[in-house]
Amino acid sequence: DQQVKQNSPSLSVQEGRISILNCDYTNSMFDYFLWYKKYPAEGPTFLISISSIKDKNEDGRFTVFLNKSAKHLSLHIVPSQPGDSAVYFCAAYMDTGRRALTFGSGTRLQVQP
Amino acid sequence: EPEVTQTPSHQVTQMGQEVILRCVPISNHLYFYWYRQILGQKVEFLVSFYNNEISEKSEIFDDQFSVERPDGSNFTLKIRSTKLEDSAMYFCASSENGRGQYFGPGTRLTVT
Repeated sequence: DQQVKQNSPSLSVQEGRISILNCDYTNSMFDYFLWYKKYPAEGPTFLISISSIKDKNEDGRFTVFLNKSAKHLSLHIVPSQPGDSAVYFCAAYMDTGRRALTFGSGTRLQVQP
Repeated sequence: EPEVTQTPSHQVTQMGQEVILRCVPISNHLYFYWYRQILGQKVEFLVSFYNNEISEKSEIFDDQFSVERPDGSNFTLKIRSTKLEDSAMYFCASSENGRGQYFGPGTRLTVT
């Protein structure tokens, strides 16, 4: 099941620069997209979400962009901080009844001081 | 800040034994979920629960699995007869409105 794909297993960025994490999906029925951050031995932490009727949502240093025609979303973190180092998961669900999340495989972000 | 809690943090059991994983969702949330992550694999949906019944379940959630909300605060996942392949991190999540699901820290289940 590859409905949500994160093709970059890892990303390294300098502190203060922009981190861009990418996610692609194949199921056009998805209505809602979310980003989670995960540290080792902890559960995923909800970061930011976007509805399919929008193309951008911003929350502090985090911005999510959605390109429905390309079935692509991205998470921008500006400026990146060493504490942002973690695994980032993209997830999606359909808003009709089933709201089970379908997760990508994750991207490990390393922010270098 | 309210959070989802899970116990135990690590459970070791022998194949064929029953296990119960426990979760306390955020108090005003109405939607509850179980997910699991086998080492090196994606987080996978198991089951969702709303209004005291299962609202959706995945192919993984077969007759060996059951969920219960025995009181107003706990949400449990029972595996009746564990198999080696049930070894995984099990995450509970809750949501106020079915969106923005908040996850607990997980229970690591090791089946020997």
